[in-house]
Order: sequence, then structure tokens, then C-alpha cells
Amino acid sequence: SAVISQKPSRDICQRGTSLTIQCQVDSQVTMMFWYRQQPGQSLTLIATANQGSEATYESGFVIDKFPISRPNLTFSTLTVSNMSPEDSSIYLCSAEGSQETQYFGPGTRLLVL
Amino acid sequence: SQQGEEDPQALSIQEGENATMNCSYKTSINNLQWYRQNSGRGLVHLILIRSNEREKHSGRLRVTLDTSKKSSSLLITASRAADTASYFCATVGHGDSGAGSYQLTFGKGTKLSVIP
Repeated sequence: SAVISQKPSRDICQRGTSLTIQCQVDSQVTMMFWYRQQPGQSLTLIATANQGSEATYESGFVIDKFPISRPNLTFSTLTVSNMSPEDSSIYLCSAEGSQETQYFGPGTRLLVL
Repeated sequence: SQQGEEDPQALSIQEGENATMNCSYKTSINNLQWYRQNSGRGLVHLILIRSNEREKHSGRLRVTLDTSKKSSSLLITASRAADTASYFCATVGHGDSGAGSYQLTFGKGTKLSVIP
């Protein structure tokens, strides 16, 4: 199994600023994913990040707002740009596991004031 | 859009009782998975059931799948206080391959409270 860490674990930010969330996997993986989970809600996939290619964004999410980097097989970043209070959420990264499952990081709790 | 709908949204039981959570989905699937999320933490994979399977067991967990009704249930037997968490079903769509075979569509979740 893979162990995934995220930094920061939580942050409080002012509107209009940007925050970059880091996701580190302890083994090499091809596919990494970024999700948003609003308070008390389910997970919504933001994008799929494969090493060596552009991230693939889901409907409703755009690269200008959520730029993603995937410089190698163990690391990815998600930036939440020009934040507003509506961006307050938990942001989770995950990586492919065995048999179409995913391993998840602990999440980053973001509060935008 | 969300694929799965879990019910109940919240469930409170006494330790030792069984807990049953249900999940319904809308489109054809390759497999259905259940995940647990402890408060404020990441998700942990519990069990996967493929579209050609009807029932699967893992320890105290029992999952059923009825593809004709597009529904699944998760049974936790002899519950413990440590089972207190939110439980989500997630589906992989039929025909998805490559990266798509790993794309999960999550339901809204059931919040389970097990009272000691």
C-alpha cells in the first residue's frame, strides 16, 4: 500500500490570495487525483494528474483556477487561485492503488475569509 | 455529477449491533467500492465488488451488489465504537479503461455513529 502525505494540513487564507497544496507519495505512481470535499458533503473530482502530461480537468473546474503540477512519479501540487469563501473545503489528493482502488492523503482543510 | 446516493444519511447504533448502509447508482458499472472516512481525515478503501459478483466478505464487512436494481449494501457486523466514521460508496463506470478505470464517482455518504 502507498502512504500519502499532504502539506499544509490546514490553512486560513484571505480572499484573493492563492494557496499551493503539496502531495507526496512514498512510491512511484502513474496516476494521481485531486478532489474537493465541501463541509459535510461527498468528494468531487477536480482533475487527474499523470506524470508527463497535462492534467485532465472535470466539468466545472478549470486550469486557471486550479493549476496542477506533476513533476515526477511521487509528487503533485494543486494551487487554489484567487480564492473566495466558496473555495473553503477539504482538498484531498489520491493515487492509484491495486485493482482500480485509490489511496488517499489526509486532506488539507482550507478556510477562506 | 454524483453517481451514488447512500441511505441513510446518518445512522446511530449501539456497540455490538449490526449497521447496514445502502447505495444506489445510476449508470452501468465495472465495480463498486466502499471507503471509510474518519472525521477530518482521508479515505480508506474497505472493499471492492465487481459487476459480476453478488456478494463479498471481508472480516466483519459484507457487501452485496444488485446490478438489476443498481444498488449495493454494506453490512458491518458486531459494530465497535472505532467504526464511527462516514462511509462512502464509489463506482467505476462500465467500459472505463486506462486512467478512466481508476476514476471514482462518489456517493454522498452515510455518517455512522456507534455508541459505546
